[in-house]
Amino acid sequence: DADVTQTPRNRITKTGKRIMLECSQTKGHDRMYWYRQDPGLGLRLIYYSFDVKDINKGEISDGYSVSRQAQAKFSLSLESAIPNQTALYFCATTHVRGRGKNTEAFFGQGTRLTVV
Amino acid sequence: AQSVSQHNHHVILSEAASLELGCNYSYGGTVNLFWYVQYPGQHLQLLLKYFSGDPLVKGIKGFEAEFIKSKFSFNLRKPSVQWSDTAEYFCAVMLNYGGSQGNLIFGKGTKLSVKP
Repeated sequence: DADVTQTPRNRITKTGKRIMLECSQTKGHDRMYWYRQDPGLGLRLIYYSFDVKDINKGEISDGYSVSRQAQAKFSLSLESAIPNQTALYFCATTHVRGRGKNTEAFFGQGTRLTVV
Repeated sequence: AQSVSQHNHHVILSEAASLELGCNYSYGGTVNLFWYVQYPGQHLQLLLKYFSGDPLVKGIKGFEAEFIKSKFSFNLRKPSVQWSDTAEYFCAVMLNYGGSQGNLIFGKGTKLSVKP
């Protein structure tokens, strides 16, 4: 089983609909991230969370919200989906062992979202 | 704002050619550095990482990277590429000090196409 699991893997939704993307991890990491990937733009950070009570906006948080339901779960919501939110979304986790001793990021398989 | 720059958007090489992909970052503090690879239709996988110590790091599949602190660079190299190296490569920086510790920022990626 994958250490970082995203559901769904693919989703087509209509403009204006609310949609939630879910991420769960079994690595015991404290930090979780949501990115979107668009061709030519790399991965852009939407939101990140350093623990259950900590939520931070990333580079492109407008139109998105998140919920850290537990250490292992981090959900991304699009309150009212629009076509330019069509993208590949990745969840990632890292763990901080101490200053200068972070782990690398581990990624989920991605969710391909199409808004029509 | 912190940023990661990858100099080449698309690199085309013949098999056995040498590869060097550039990566520069703009952040004056302590960082962890990563190169990830994304094969077509797949999620990101770690190629190599630098946390501290020897600035020349070796990764999987014959890749290596050199951290040059004075140049804020972390260039990826491979002496002889193979067709199977065709993928997109992402440089990433994790900020390791201050209020943004743990924030993971990606470059826009470099597509590598290797001709057989």
